Amino acid sequence: NAGVTQTPKFRVLKTGQSMTLLCAQDMNHEYMYWYRQDPGMGLRLIHYSVGEGTTAKGEVPDGYNVSRLKKQNFLLGLESAAPSQTSVYFCASRAQMMNYGYTFGSGTRLTVV
Amino acid sequence: AQSVAQPEDQVNVAEGNPLTVKCTYSVSGNPYLFWYVQYPNRGLQFLLKYITGDNLVKGSYGFEAEFNKSQTSFHLKKPSALVSDSALYFCAGAYSGAGSYQLTFGKGTKLSVIP
Repeated sequence: NAGVTQTPKFRVLKTGQSMTLLCAQDMNHEYMYWYRQDPGMGLRLIHYSVGEGTTAKGEVPDGYNVSRLKKQNFLLGLESAAPSQTSVYFCASRAQMMNYGYTFGSGTRLTVV
Repeated sequence: AQSVAQPEDQVNVAEGNPLTVKCTYSVSGNPYLFWYVQYPNRGLQFLLKYITGDNLVKGSYGFEAEFNKSQTSFHLKKPSALVSDSALYFCAGAYSGAGSYQLTFGKGTKLSVIP
């Protein structure tokens, strides 16, 4: 089925460890986004990409890096995880035309201990 | 700057009664507005969107929303609530920031439908 796939679905990290979250979409979408969801905060934009090879900072970029080497993939990296990064991470993508809206992945639940 | 506000953290409604979940927005230019629903430990499910055209938008599961430009509101409504509608609801708006149309979310409203 066409859509946005996030891996892994769950992960527990120790403080200071690094990891990469993968977002893959098979809809040939130009735009991709990474959000984090925290209780009472809604979803906040971390980084986004408007096309292959481009990335930009969102509302809460500190402590994260991203890369978009291939159009279909958008990677979110944590170089040195902190407990404050415990969250649920969602990836989204959309086509050029806004009429089609956004497609969200099922999320990655990350716990940093 | 853009923002989306959901003034109610929680809404309680009796099963069979009409429900309303409120959303107001402050978005530059012409807004694109969305409603999503999230069930416990699940991802976001799309309900409906306003891009352009009719102010009354009909979506999934019998939900609808009315775009009101003068009141800058986009309230979610359903004529008769079901217990299965109990979930967390998010309103979101998009604006053209460097062409990326970043989606800004409200903080969410927890809807509880009481049997």
